[in-house]
Formats: sequence, C-alpha cells, structure tokens
Amino acid sequence: KAGVTQTPRYLIKTRGQQVTLSCSPISGHRSVSWYQQTPGQGLQFLFEYFSETQRNKGNFPGRFSGRQFSNSRSEMNVSTLELGDSALYLCASSLGAGASEAFFGQGTRLTVV
Amino acid sequence: GQQVMQIPQYQHVQEGEDFTTYCNSSTTLSNIQWYKQRPGGHPVFLIQLVKSGEVKKQKRLTFQFGEAKKNSSLHITATQTTDVGTYFCAGQNNNDMRFGAGTRLTVKP
Repeated sequence: KAGVTQTPRYLIKTRGQQVTLSCSPISGHRSVSWYQQTPGQGLQFLFEYFSETQRNKGNFPGRFSGRQFSNSRSEMNVSTLELGDSALYLCASSLGAGASEAFFGQGTRLTVV
Repeated sequence: GQQVMQIPQYQHVQEGEDFTTYCNSSTTLSNIQWYKQRPGGHPVFLIQLVKSGEVKKQKRLTFQFGEAKKNSSLHITATQTTDVGTYFCAGQNNNDMRFGAGTRLTVKP
C-alpha cells in the first residue's frame, strides 16, 4: 500500500510569508502527527490530529496551526515565517487506536530566507 | 506534560564495538517504540515494547523496557557501518506519544 506522502518536498519562503504543508496518511490511518526537526533538536512534536480533531499539542507558538480533513489528509500552516522556522517538517500517520507504530513521510524541507 | 529524555546525544564508535542508547520518561508509559533515521532519511519504526521488564532482540539489537515502564534501552552488539544513523525512542502514554532527542551514531570502519 502507498506510504505517507508529504508535499511539497522542498520549499523556500521569505520572512513574514505564510506556508501550508500537506500530508496524506496511509489509507485507513486516522491519526496524523506533525514534527519539526532541526539539527541537534531532534523531533519536536507540533500537534496530532485524529478524526479531524486536534488530540494533542506541543509547545509551539500560535503561528503554527493545522487541520485534518474527513479523508484524514492533514495540512499544517505556519504564518509570519521567521528564519528559525527553517527545518524539516515530518508528518507521521498511524491507526491512532492505542499502541500503534508511526509511519513517517519523507518530510518537507522548509527554508526561510 | 510528558517528557522523554534520551542519552547520549552523540556516540562515535569503532566498527565492532558495542553501542547503547538510553531513554527515560518523566511519567509511566503504556509502551515505548524505537525508530531509526538514516542520514538524509526519515524515521523508520524498529520495535515496540509494551510489558514491564520486556526484552526483545532483532539480530544484533537488544531492546529493554524497564520494570517501572519509565525507561528503556537499545543495545547494538558489534556495530557495523550500516548501523549509522540516529536512533529515537518514543514513549507513549494513552494517546500522547513523545520522542526523545535521539542518539546519533557514527561508526568508523
């Protein structure tokens, strides 16, 4: 079956702009989580959506938001971009019911200039 | 909230040496998962531990879950260059899963 698909793979934006990233989970998976990965910072949890509802949220400012659609696809939006937002943004899908492994997409590499 | 600490942050070994990374949670976990991310790649699931004191092996990799379900370790015996990458633990409590910062392993041939 198809894996987790993230688009776009690469993105360059300027400070102050906003950006929307997309994630299509594995068919049948209802949970989508978003992570920010920067060198030396590991995987920083942004938020998790399950059945169109935000179920968990990390410690990121309100400029970071997301949503999930009825087909489980998810989008993440970052407004008023800052240089420090440059990172690899990973989404992971899982069944979402109790203990289940997460399947990661290839990520979107965002560069803010 | 739940926090997962992982040490060491970096480990450089000579090929053939052993390697261990440790994971500690501030809260009791329902399960813990381990992932490996190769350079330039994305994290890939390795294993899940659920039971207190559980030990699982995958060839040269040994995974342990502590008795209190708050810590875990991954041990690699006789490392190879193919083991290079960053190893992440992910602790789950109810529906909240948090990743450790990862241990980046480099192996000198």
